Amino acid sequence: DGGITQSPKYLFRKEGQNVTLSCEQNLNHDAMYWYRQDPGQGLRLIYYSQIVNDFQKGDIAEGYSVSREKKESFPLTVTSAQKNPTAFYLCASSIGGQSNEKLFFGSGTQLSVL
Amino acid sequence: AQTVTQSQPEMSVQEAETVTLSCTYDTSESDYYLFWYKQPPSRQMILVIRQEAYKQQNATENRFSVNFQKAAKSFSLKISDSQLGDAAMYFCAYRGETSGSRLTFGEGTQLTVNP
Repeated sequence: DGGITQSPKYLFRKEGQNVTLSCEQNLNHDAMYWYRQDPGQGLRLIYYSQIVNDFQKGDIAEGYSVSREKKESFPLTVTSAQKNPTAFYLCASSIGGQSNEKLFFGSGTQLSVL
Repeated sequence: AQTVTQSQPEMSVQEAETVTLSCTYDTSESDYYLFWYKQPPSRQMILVIRQEAYKQQNATENRFSVNFQKAAKSFSLKISDSQLGDAAMYFCAYRGETSGSRLTFGEGTQLTVNP
């Protein structure tokens, strides 16, 4: 079945540690996104990529980094510079280039600080 | 910058009844797209319905329909014949022509369906 796979489902970070969240899609989509969700809040865009080897900052990119070396993969690194990383992280993808296109979402990663 | 506002943090409805979730947005663009996404307890985001701003006809998907008022910048979601499986967090989202592929989400409305 085609879809988006995020791993791990739960992740714990120690102080000063960088952690990487995985996102893989087999939908052959060009565009991929990372969103952060905090309790009682909507989704906020961290980074997005519309094509391989290119990505743009979203609204809350500070303390995060990404790479897009392959079409299928868009890993997100939460660096030690992100002082409040506890949140639910959602990866999404879309065909790309169509304004009315829908996003396909993964099942998310819950990141907590030890 | 575009903003999306959902003024109802929580709503409840009796099974088989109808409920309307509100959403307003602020934009200076003339062409854009609006979406409603559902997030059940599994936390998987699912597209419910979408509307193109240039279309006057309100979108409908089975029991889900929207009331799109472009002048008022309002985009409400109506759920008819509510079912227990409709219980979820509902998010309104906006994408403008100049936004590229970026979506802006509202804060969400938590819908409870009472048996």
